[in-house]
Amino acid sequence: KAGVTQTPRYLIKTRGQQVTLSCSPISGHRSVSWYQQTPGQGLQFLFEYFSETQRNKGNFPGRFSGRQFSNSRSEMNVSTLELGDSALYLCASSFGSGGYEQYFGPGTRLTVT
Amino acid sequence: AQSVTQLGSHVSVSEGALVLLRCNYSSSVPPYLFWYVQYPNQGLQLLLKYTTGATLVKGINGFEAEFKKSETSFHLTKPSAHMSDAAEYFCAVSGLGNNDMRFGAGTRLTVKP
Repeated sequence: KAGVTQTPRYLIKTRGQQVTLSCSPISGHRSVSWYQQTPGQGLQFLFEYFSETQRNKGNFPGRFSGRQFSNSRSEMNVSTLELGDSALYLCASSFGSGGYEQYFGPGTRLTVT
Repeated sequence: AQSVTQLGSHVSVSEGALVLLRCNYSSSVPPYLFWYVQYPNQGLQLLLKYTTGATLVKGINGFEAEFKKSETSFHLTKPSAHMSDAAEYFCAVSGLGNNDMRFGAGTRLTVKP
């Protein structure tokens, strides 16, 4: 079974731009969650989508948004990029929501200059 | 609200020695607890999880963890460290009905030859 894939793997953007990251979950998984990882703040939950609906959202500004498609693939968007948005963005998929193992992709390394 | 605290940001052991990585949790509801490992420039890999039932959980690569409700702990152990165990380890907690996973700050494990 193929794992979670994320594209692109690396991205360099300029302040003020916007960016879209993509995540393809493991086949059969309906939940996709997004996390931001930085040296200072560690791993922080962004949001979770289950069957195309956002179930939970972490404590991030509205510039961070996401969506999930009918095939469970998910995208997250960050608008008006700030230097502090530089991070590794990790996507995780799971079969269900609540107590299920989450399987992580390799991440997208975003650098904002 | 749930949270975890990992005691010790760096742990160094000799090859063949016992590995003990500490994690304490805080949760107002019965928690789901997880241990993940992250190798450089990679995503997170699930080592083991506790949901309900047996409090001693065995995972991959010879790791195991014991859920102790009285101590609110979920420490990770491995009897004999290998060089390949050198990585960053994260303890995480989530609650019922969602995949909002809260991670500890991580413990970097170094294995000396």
